[in-house]
Amino acid sequence: GAGVSQTPSNKVTEKGKYVELRCDPISGHTALYWYRQSLGQGPEFLIYFQGTGAADDSGLPNDRFFAVRPEGSVSTLKIQRTERGDSAVYLCASSSRGGILAGELFFGEGSRLTVL
Amino acid sequence: QQQVKQSPQSLIVQKGGISIINCAYENTAFDYFPWYQQFPGKGPALLIAIRPDVSEKKEGRFTISFNKSAKQFSLHIMDSQPGDSATYFCAASWGGNKLVFGAGTILRVKS
Repeated sequence: GAGVSQTPSNKVTEKGKYVELRCDPISGHTALYWYRQSLGQGPEFLIYFQGTGAADDSGLPNDRFFAVRPEGSVSTLKIQRTERGDSAVYLCASSSRGGILAGELFFGEGSRLTVL
Repeated sequence: QQQVKQSPQSLIVQKGGISIINCAYENTAFDYFPWYQQFPGKGPALLIAIRPDVSEKKEGRFTISFNKSAKQFSLHIMDSQPGDSATYFCAASWGGNKLVFGAGTILRVKS
């Protein structure tokens, strides 16, 4: 596809359940970012991949959150034992450059997670 | 700890007017300052960006003014149009690894 694709667009789950959110970046983009956006707030950094490795995971709030990018393209954000406070829009972005210049981040439309 | 402080939270401007949104930062290591525009249900999209070696950058109706000594930068939207109604985020990065975003400004342009 031409842009960053995120699935599902909406996910409703119950407290304590496990969820996976998928991001398909723009083809050829080596840098991939996950952000979380709560209602009325700016995007909050979670984790950044350069290729297959997590270059910076300092934004992950706790060990219930984990992300992978095994082949350097598609990434999955995994949340264990979901809590109501995890409810937010999870945004994925990709960039053709990373490490030296953030350059332009291209964002997907997000996955809206609601934890009941 | 909010690294980039943005104001106002919301703004209403008449069509044809000038919209001004301000941001302040503390980290002097920041070396890239973009503004992103977000429409409801969409992801943020880059609008315009500046680096600290220049004081102003203009692209069409959008201008960034940058004051390094005051650690402030602002977005000016000239001749504001109803289609400019959106949420605007300032952001900053250092070392090029990640962006930190302000809390956002909801702009409404009245026709």
